[in-house]
Amino acid sequence: GQQVMQIPQYQHVQEGEDFTTYCNSSTTLSNIQWYKQRPGGHPVFLIQLVKSGEVKKQKRLTFQFGEAKKNSSLHITATQTTDVGTYFCAGASTGNQFYFGTGTSLTVIP
Amino acid sequence: DTGVSQNPRHKITKRGQNVTFRCDPISEHNRLYWYRQTLGQGPEFLTYFQNEAQLEKSRLLSDRFSAERPKGSFSTLEIQRTEQGDSAMYLCASSSTSGSTYNEQFFGPGTRLTVL
Repeated sequence: GQQVMQIPQYQHVQEGEDFTTYCNSSTTLSNIQWYKQRPGGHPVFLIQLVKSGEVKKQKRLTFQFGEAKKNSSLHITATQTTDVGTYFCAGASTGNQFYFGTGTSLTVIP
Repeated sequence: DTGVSQNPRHKITKRGQNVTFRCDPISEHNRLYWYRQTLGQGPEFLTYFQNEAQLEKSRLLSDRFSAERPKGSFSTLEIQRTEQGDSAMYLCASSSTSGSTYNEQFFGPGTRLTVL
């Protein structure tokens, strides 16, 4: 079955440092979504990528979709304490069954 | 509040009992998803509806689980003969197939199930 893996599982950074999480799928994806989940909260949609090689930016966040549509990354520039949470990618290959990654838990040390 | 709502927020039950959860999606959303999430893991897909039709169901889903969306609005998820391994947060999400938020999943607060 389809698997979506994320690395790293945990990341601790000093405030102001950059952060990147990587997402890899065992199958080619039709689209990939990214979500953020704060402790005790529910996932909140960040972005959706559809095209091969697509790059999208949201302020300090940069999202990329790989050329082969099997991997993706989220990069945060100059982290802030408000960035704390777990970041999940969710990929769909055929249909609309989304497979969530294992998540990367980000801790920002002030 | 026009977000996704779920009831109850917490459910404690004894092993072997049946439980039912309800999800009320954002009113104009035609897609509705059910996920299960355990501590330290990402949401695990269970099933999804487009309007009242159940289009996909996880192959990993036991036949003790059933979901309905009879009028294409709210949905219910029933678990029969609960087991301790069913303890988890059950999340509902809804999305639209049109508009500026196309395919964006809006999650509800979840129902936390504890099976004793």
